[in-house]
Amino acid sequence: EADIYQTPRYLVIGTGKKITLECSQTMGHDKMYWYQQDPGMELHLIHYSYGVNSTEKGDLSSESTVSRIRTEHFPLTLESARPSHTSQYLCASSLFGGTNTGELFFGEGSRLTVL
Amino acid sequence: SQQGEEDPQALSIQEGENATMNCSYKTSINNLQWYRQNSGRGLVHLILIRSNEREKHSGRLRVTLDTSKKSSSLLITASRAADTASYFCATKLDSNYQLIWGAGTKLIIKP
Repeated sequence: EADIYQTPRYLVIGTGKKITLECSQTMGHDKMYWYQQDPGMELHLIHYSYGVNSTEKGDLSSESTVSRIRTEHFPLTLESARPSHTSQYLCASSLFGGTNTGELFFGEGSRLTVL
Repeated sequence: SQQGEEDPQALSIQEGENATMNCSYKTSINNLQWYRQNSGRGLVHLILIRSNEREKHSGRLRVTLDTSKKSSSLLITASRAADTASYFCATKLDSNYQLIWGAGTKLIIKP
């Protein structure tokens, strides 16, 4: 069982609100990721981090931002939520290094609904 | 664009039957991984096969890899209701630490 936690699991908010989705892992992994996934669809990488103070945008353009001040913590923030942000957001982590296999450990996800 | 394409998109079988899902990819890979996702949950890693391997087993799972055809298959034998989930393949390139995902196969096991 993966030691990676996401909160909240479900969130329903109004348009224009600021929200932060929390993600923490206790495995000491350097690499962390945020994926966006609509129900039954493929995963889209929106942000990733190689370690503390390192953040990069993923393949899918997103209006969200991330920070990585501590190894274990990788929060995602939306400054002004819109209905188009309604989706499931999945946080994941992996080991970093030349021999790593790239296996990902996922949290349970945060399902966001913006009204 | 997504590297992996999975087929079928959806599969419905009777409990006890075997389920086979396929994944094709476009460029050379370091390894290929299969994940399961129960409805509304995160993904769970099932099995990894390296580019120099042709077949791998884990319990009721059997994965094959054909690098000449750039394809992989996941076989679940003696399916159970609890196997109902979406199954995703993901490829890792030599040049990139990130995984590239397929669109998934939705598997339904009928009791």
